Amino acid sequence: TQLLEQSPQFLSIQEGENLTVYCNSSSVFSSLQWYRQEPGEGPVLLVTVVTGGEVKKLKRLTFQFGDARKDSSLHITAAQPGDTGLYLCAGGYTGNQFYFGTGTSLTVIP
Amino acid sequence: DTEVTQTPKHLVMGMTNKKSLKCEQHMGHRAMYWYKQKAKKPPELMFVYSYEKLSINESVPSRFSPECPNSSLLNLHLHALQPEDSALYLCASSQALADEQFFGPGTRLTVL
Repeated sequence: TQLLEQSPQFLSIQEGENLTVYCNSSSVFSSLQWYRQEPGEGPVLLVTVVTGGEVKKLKRLTFQFGDARKDSSLHITAAQPGDTGLYLCAGGYTGNQFYFGTGTSLTVIP
Repeated sequence: DTEVTQTPKHLVMGMTNKKSLKCEQHMGHRAMYWYKQKAKKPPELMFVYSYEKLSINESVPSRFSPECPNSSLLNLHLHALQPEDSALYLCASSQALADEQFFGPGTRLTVL
């Protein structure tokens, strides 16, 4: 059973387009992280959200944590080829295990 | 120092070999993790150490043997691996269990 489902699984877009990746669960998490991973490298932490309804911005990336702390979204404005990679959400319960989402593979075509 | 380091970067081994993967962090984190990852899939948790004690073992075959010599080091000993064990092996650390994790660059393992 996968606790965190991401959609879409694969996404291929042209440079300059906008996109949104979703991370959904039926469970409530104490915090949720987003990572980006390039081929052959380890995941790099982009952001952590902890408060329901929280919105965080990182340049062209906007992250939102759902009010009920069960879901999250990542929106990229004006995508660039450097945004290409595997995007992973991950949720944790305080003092307990940490769960990764199913992943979204993004390709931005120049 | 906010880095997690892993050695070696690449490893090729035969099915009868014994090798070890190493991971190190100096962030004072008390939880350390081993993951296995196949291409374009999310990392799969293998082992978790919390305060140098094995906290979680996700039903990993005994040919993988973890070791945590101290709070900064984590090893993964490999013996009699199978070709299907070829993957990217990732180490991560966090302040405590379920906190945000920081990953090393991984070891690309190929079993012939």
